[in-house]
Amino acid sequence: QVQLQESGPGVVKPSETLSLTCTVSGASMETYYGTWVRQAPGKGLEWIGYIYSTGTSDYNPSLQSRVSMSVDTSKNQFSLELRSVTAADTAVYFCARGFDSTAYYLAFWGQGTLVTVSS
Amino acid sequence: DIHMTQSPSSLSASVGDRVTITCQASQDISKNLNWYQHISGRAPKLLIYDASTLETGVPSRFSGSGSGRDFTFTISGLQPEDVATYYCQQYDVLLTFGGGTKVEIK
Repeated sequence: QVQLQESGPGVVKPSETLSLTCTVSGASMETYYGTWVRQAPGKGLEWIGYIYSTGTSDYNPSLQSRVSMSVDTSKNQFSLELRSVTAADTAVYFCARGFDSTAYYLAFWGQGTLVTVSS
Repeated sequence: DIHMTQSPSSLSASVGDRVTITCQASQDISKNLNWYQHISGRAPKLLIYDASTLETGVPSRFSGSGSGRDFTFTISGLQPEDVATYYCQQYDVLLTFGGGTKVEIK
């Protein structure tokens, strides 16, 4: 059974960098994409970006200038960094993985972690 | 960017009712569309992929159809456990989610 778990600080100060890690268990990240999705309070789901096990990535154009992702297949982890955060970045952040080697079908999800941007 | 427009944004129906949600893409996306169920406080769940294929283990009362720009998601016989927000998601160009449809029991 594939399981994902997000980890990272629950509070980040404005203008600083939000950093989260997703740890995958029950399956290897090799040849798979890791995806980040967020949900701001009272809003819908927003795709942030994805990264392949080789390090190739794509990001939401609206966030591209502030986002970077990395992957460590030896630890079965992938990570998100979001720079220069504001209150608008307060959200529940989910990591997800597909059921095949594409980025299309988000079949496995973490439970989500709330990140609040506040001084 | 591909924009996904879902409607309605919310609906209230009785147990046993047929519920229909529509999703329109800003450009032709063939059948590159999925549907998710998101119950508050839980992880989203993939229900339908490639516009009409039911994910393993998902009840058959859920179905999807459409291609090109226009898509439909149907619950044939609403159950209390179906209270959730439903999202379409295209993967033709990057990924984009629709705005969501909140489904409640009347």
